[in-house]
Amino acid sequence: AQTVTQSQPEMSVQEAETVTLSCTYDTSESDYYLFWYKQPPSRQMILVIRQEAYKQQNATENRFSVNFQKAAKSFSLKISDSQLGDAAMYFCALGGGTSYGKLTFGQGTILTVHP
Amino acid sequence: EPEVTQTPSHQVTQMGQEVILRCVPISNHLYFYWYRQILGQKVEFLVSFYNNEISEKSEIFDDQFSVERPDGSNFTLKIRSTKLEDSAMYFCASTTRPGTQYFGPGTRLTVL
Repeated sequence: AQTVTQSQPEMSVQEAETVTLSCTYDTSESDYYLFWYKQPPSRQMILVIRQEAYKQQNATENRFSVNFQKAAKSFSLKISDSQLGDAAMYFCALGGGTSYGKLTFGQGTILTVHP
Repeated sequence: EPEVTQTPSHQVTQMGQEVILRCVPISNHLYFYWYRQILGQKVEFLVSFYNNEISEKSEIFDDQFSVERPDGSNFTLKIRSTKLEDSAMYFCASTTRPGTQYFGPGTRLTVL
């Protein structure tokens, strides 16, 4: 079975500062994907960033980057130069490449950005 | 940019009634999914659908649930006899191949 754990129910950051959200996971798959999704109050699920397990290089998308530690099964999200619009619930998700691709989500981290 | 759409955005129903939630996946996508999120909780997988059949389902997806792709564009989730605990946000997602899934805006189901 696949599991995803987000141990930080809530995090806060000052505008323009950097914050890191933590995620650990467990899977028996050798080929898998990891994602961070953002869920604002509208509850829409917005893809922030994705990482293929076979890639050693950490993914980056503008102000968003990940620290993927495969051996430790850790996948943290770093948000640089935080903006008020970054305030949302953030979900870490794991998808198995050899299955039909269902995603397993963590419990979520609520990020508050203070002006 | 193509996107997944869902209707209705909010559905209110009485316990025991049947509801059908509708989704239009991105047109060239082949894999379709339903997830639900009870308020304040994590997103949970319900079912995946590929090649006109269910490919995987969770323990939540019992006999009260069914999915269908009645034509080339729509993908529906039916709940035959709703319970209070079915109240949740229901998300449809699609993808071209297992990997990044694109989510619709969700349907908020309220069972009274």
